[in-house]
Amino acid sequence: AQKVTQAQTEISVVEKEDVTLDCVYETRDTTYYLFWYKQPPSGELVFLIRRNSFDEQNEISGRYSWNFQKSTSSFNFTITASQVVDSAVYFCALSEVVTLRAAGNKLTFGGGTRVLVKP
Amino acid sequence: GAVVSQHPSRVICKSGTSVKIECRSLDFQATTMFWYRQFPKQSLMLMATSNEGSKATYEQGVEKDKFLINHASLTLSTLTVTSAHPEDSSFYICSGVVPLAGNNEQFFGPGTRLTVL
Repeated sequence: AQKVTQAQTEISVVEKEDVTLDCVYETRDTTYYLFWYKQPPSGELVFLIRRNSFDEQNEISGRYSWNFQKSTSSFNFTITASQVVDSAVYFCALSEVVTLRAAGNKLTFGGGTRVLVKP
Repeated sequence: GAVVSQHPSRVICKSGTSVKIECRSLDFQATTMFWYRQFPKQSLMLMATSNEGSKATYEQGVEKDKFLINHASLTLSTLTVTSAHPEDSSFYICSGVVPLAGNNEQFFGPGTRLTVL
């Protein structure tokens, strides 16, 4: 069975501080996908990144960066120079690749980390 | 990215009534859609996998007779909460998968907030 753990339930920072969200996962498969989503107060999930298990390169997109370490089963997310608009709940998720077709591959979500950025 | 809509966005009903929630893929055909439930301040939990033209697959602990899923076309899946009770009050989110995209990306609807009085 797959499992995703986000140990931090809530993080509060002051604007312009950096914040790192931890994500640790468990899976028996060697092939899988990892995701990060943002859920603002409106409730709609916003896709941030997808990473497959064969690509361990770190990625940077603007103020966002991700550190994937397969050896420790972690996929951490850093927001640099945080802004008030970054306040939201962030979810890490895992999808095992059951088949080569996209359909049918379920997502397992972590518990989420609520980020509060104060002005 | 692909767009998924949900209707209604918010519904309030009396205990004992049934509520239908629609999930539509607007610019792609979704042979598979997923239904999630999210209680306040909790994570998303998968309820069921909806397959076009066949029966839905329910996760352990989800009552299939209470949460009826119909996926009659490639662009529409519906979730009916039958005989709703206050404990069914939750945020229901659907997602669709672009067939053969090969990247496991799910496109999420905006969610439906159900309040049962």
